[in-house]
Amino acid sequence: QKEVEQNSGPLSVPEGAIASLNCTYSDRGSQSFFWYRQYSGKSPELIMSIYSNGDKEDGRFTAQLNKASQYVSLLIRDSQPSDSATYLCAALPKVTFGTGTKLQVIP
Amino acid sequence: NAGVTQTPKFRILKIGQSMTLQCTQDMNHNYMYWYRQDPGMGLKLIYYSVGAGITDKGEVPNGYNVSRSTTEDFPLRLELAAPSQTSVYFCASSDLGPSYEQYFGPGTRLTVT
Repeated sequence: QKEVEQNSGPLSVPEGAIASLNCTYSDRGSQSFFWYRQYSGKSPELIMSIYSNGDKEDGRFTAQLNKASQYVSLLIRDSQPSDSATYLCAALPKVTFGTGTKLQVIP
Repeated sequence: NAGVTQTPKFRILKIGQSMTLQCTQDMNHNYMYWYRQDPGMGLKLIYYSVGAGITDKGEVPNGYNVSRSTTEDFPLRLELAAPSQTSVYFCASSDLGPSYEQYFGPGTRLTVT
């Protein structure tokens, strides 16, 4: 079992829709969770961090964490073509990244 | 601030050659990391450092070496390059530890033929 699992996609959503990206993790000792966005050929950049159960909102982005279910998600509201990228989920402090979900926002 | 810089951007090595990937950060971060990313895959941690003079292995350290003589620099050494080391290499740094935001450099694309 991979330590951090993500559906590789691609996940295709129409412009203006909500994109839902999911991630599960196996290490119950994981305390911090991050979502990074990576455009093709570029380095990862941080989108959201979440440390406690519940929702955390930042603009069009909402991260959700459920430690009992070992599940992290990222919602992107009003998706834009510029959101098209690969989204990496990371669980820490044992530095573990998922393989990423490719999101395609269709104009 | 330049953030995290990496050189070179691209490199082609022949099997058995050696090289050093350079990484420098100007944010005075204590923690620095080296990752590799294979096509369609996530990031794999090669080595990390919690401060000058202190380094430790990550998930995939074989075939690599690191040193950390200053806070700013964290070079990654490849000895006896092999085709399996063809990858994109990212250096990153963070202030308070791995549980905090990591800032990534632009990456080095390495091909071993």
